[in-house]
Amino acid sequence: EVQLVETGGGLVQPGRSLKLSCVASGFTFSSYWMYWIRQAPGKGLEWVSSINTDGGNTYYPDSVKGRFTISRDNAENTVYLQMNSLRSEDTAAYYCAKGHYSGDWFAYWGQGTLVTVSS
Amino acid sequence: DIQMTQSPASLSASLGETVTIECLASEDIYSNLAWYQQKPGKSPQLLIYYANSLNDGVPSRFSGSGSGTQYSLKINSLQSEDVSIYFCQQNYDSPYTFGAGTKLELK
Repeated sequence: EVQLVETGGGLVQPGRSLKLSCVASGFTFSSYWMYWIRQAPGKGLEWVSSINTDGGNTYYPDSVKGRFTISRDNAENTVYLQMNSLRSEDTAAYYCAKGHYSGDWFAYWGQGTLVTVSS
Repeated sequence: DIQMTQSPASLSASLGETVTIECLASEDIYSNLAWYQQKPGKSPQLLIYYANSLNDGVPSRFSGSGSGTQYSLKINSLQSEDVSIYFCQQNYDSPYTFGAGTKLELK
């Protein structure tokens, strides 16, 4: 059974940093792209980042580019999201997601971890 | 960025009814479209990818169709467990973007 467990969320002041982790199990982690997607409270979904299977290629929307960094450790079955220079608009539930075998789809999502950016 | 416009924003339907949700892309996305279901208090689940391919384990009462800029999700014989918010998403071009969601409730 596929499992994705995110940790690392919490309350953080604007301008500070936070690092999220997502531990995967139930599938061959090193064979799949991984993603982070966020959802502000009561709002829609926003893709935050993607990473390919060996971690050599990463992608971001302009809203987080230069502030967020996705990485992975295939030996530990873990994907990370380092978030720097946090802003109030980064407040959201952050989900990690497993890629799909046939393309760039978010095939399975974790339960999410809440990040609140506030002074 | 490609804008994804869903309609309606909400709808109410009876058990056993057939419902259709629409998604309009701001440009041709060549069937690079997915549908997700988010049940209350849960994380989203992939239903449909490449516009009409059913993800593993998804009931056959769900189907997707469309091409170009216009896509739809159809739910046949509505069940109580289908009460959810449904999102469309394109991965034709970065940044990947989602529709605002359609909230489906029981009448």
